[in-house]
Amino acid sequence: AQRVTQPEKLLSVFKGAPVELKCNYSYSGSPELFWYVQYSRQRLQLLLRHISRESIKGFTADLNKGETSFHLKKPFAQEEDSAMYYCALRGGDRDDKIIFGKGTRLHILP
Amino acid sequence: NAGVTQTPKFRVLKTGQSMTLLCAQDMNHEYMYWYRQDPGMGLRLIHYSVGEGTTAKGEVPDGYNVSRLKKQNFLLGLESAAPSQTSVYFCASSYSLAGNRGWEQFFGPGTRLTVL
Repeated sequence: AQRVTQPEKLLSVFKGAPVELKCNYSYSGSPELFWYVQYSRQRLQLLLRHISRESIKGFTADLNKGETSFHLKKPFAQEEDSAMYYCALRGGDRDDKIIFGKGTRLHILP
Repeated sequence: NAGVTQTPKFRVLKTGQSMTLLCAQDMNHEYMYWYRQDPGMGLRLIHYSVGEGTTAKGEVPDGYNVSRLKKQNFLLGLESAAPSQTSVYFCASSYSLAGNRGWEQFFGPGTRLTVL
């Protein structure tokens, strides 16, 4: 069964410190992984996807198939990074929906 | 482009009342989805549609019905609201798959529903 696990409900990090939001997944094939972000009172928006291998707003995420993880990282946290972050998985080319993790609230301390 | 819009933004219902949430998208997307967002539960898929006239159940479909009569609209109905349906409801849309490596879901602003 497809499953996305975000072990931390809340992560508090000081401004300027490194950030790592953990995401582990369970899927037998080759999934597509995403990170979505939801700023306060805004809609969810795509932050990045693993197939693009991009860096958005200083965030990166590498798919580790051996550890079945897709952790989101940023070397230096900024106050505007405070938001809810969701890891999501789509189970391959023929899967027409994605499964979300329960989310991690990132709180950047001044 | 308005993207994905949802109507209404807020609603308060009494137990047993019915209502319909409307989602509209102007991006000519084939796929549309309804999620509910609850604290500590993340986003859970209620129903989705892969094309006009088609619908499918998601993870938590009980107590909800949907219809996709027009490609641009996806309606979510609550026939007899219950307090357990108090939540924030998000609609999303996307292109069809077909090997689209740029695939992503676009979300609406949400509808906050309270059932007393």
